[in-house]
Parts: sequence; structure tokens; C-alpha cells
Amino acid sequence: DADVTQTPRNRITKTGKRIMLECSQTKGHDRMYWYRQDPGLGLRLIYYSFDVKDINKGEISDGYSVSRQAQAKFSLSLESAIPNQTALYFCAVNTGTGAGELFFGEGSRLTVL
Amino acid sequence: RKEVEQDPGPFNVPEGATVAFNCTYSNSASQSFFWYRQDCRKEPKLLMSVYSSGNEDGRFTAQLNRASQYISLLIRDSKLSDSATYLCVVKDYGQNFVFGPGTRLSVLP
Repeated sequence: DADVTQTPRNRITKTGKRIMLECSQTKGHDRMYWYRQDPGLGLRLIYYSFDVKDINKGEISDGYSVSRQAQAKFSLSLESAIPNQTALYFCAVNTGTGAGELFFGEGSRLTVL
Repeated sequence: RKEVEQDPGPFNVPEGATVAFNCTYSNSASQSFFWYRQDCRKEPKLLMSVYSSGNEDGRFTAQLNRASQYISLLIRDSKLSDSATYLCVVKDYGQNFVFGPGTRLSVLP
């Protein structure tokens, strides 16, 4: 399994603050994703990247930006956090081979007051 | 209409029961299909992939009907440890994974 690490695991911040969530993986998989999860809505795709030079918007990219600093690192930023961005955020990686399943980090719980 | 829809749940069943979850998807070009399991406040983890021929892994059986755009998961002889939320996931040709909202299962002693 890919080792996917997210930091911070929990964060409480105030409206208007800039927040960065970081994700790193140890297996060198090309494909990395950021999702947010809200009760009753399932996981929704924010951004994804298939390579260091490849960044794509997902279903709900407004209010977010990302950076793929290296093959192993994919960061999600909230430039000016707002309360409805309170959610559980997951980073995931995809092997791109076989059944192509996703492996997830443990999640980052963000609360915006 | 959501791309992936699931039984709303929750399902509360006694130990030993058989329970079935249903999922439908709207994109006929979808390529791959999965069931993930998510425990409370934890990350989703792959339970099993779903193939057109149907596949089984111990007490779990998954079925796919491409013509009806329908996926199912059957759990036999439910255990307390099966209590979780089950996510139906579909991957399209753009390599994007689309998640259903999940169905929560509680197995009761």
C-alpha cells in the first residue's frame, strides 16, 4: 500500500485566514487527489494532479488552490478560509495500474470559525 | 441527478443477517467500479473491486450490471465488525473517481 501522510490532522482557524493542508506519499505514484467530505454528501473532488506539471480542477475547486511541489507532495490551500469550508479533507493517491484503486491519507479535519 | 446514488440507509441488522446494498450510476462510459468501506472518522479503504462477471471475497459478493448501470454488495453472516459506511465508487475514462454518498450499516448484537 501507498503510505499517504496528511498534515495537520486537525486545525481550527478563523474566517479570512490562509490555511495549507499538506500531503506526501512514499511510493512515487503519479496521481494525487484532494477530496472534501461533508455529512450526507460523500466525498467531492477538489483538485487532482497526474504529474508535477499537470493540475486539474475538480467538482468544487472554487476557494481552493493546489501546488504539486514534487512527485511525492501535493498541497491544498485555502487562501481566505470561510465557515462553509469546515469539513474533513482527504488526500488520495492512485497507482494507475491494475484495478486502479485509491489509497487515502488519514484525513485533515478543518474547522473555520 | 447525482452521478452515483446509493440506498440512503442506515441499515440496522442483527448479527448473522444478510444485507444487500444497491448503487446506481449515471455515466454509461464509466470504466471501473469499487466498494469502499469507511469507519467513523477514518479514511475510506478499498473493500473490493467490482467486475461484470461478479466477484466474491469471503462473506462479500459484488455484482455489476452495466446495462442497468447498477452495482450491488451483498454481505452474508454479518459481524459486529462490519458496522461502517459503505461507499460505492465509479471511475470514468478521465481517471476520476466519483463517490456515492454512502450507506451506513450497523450490525447489532
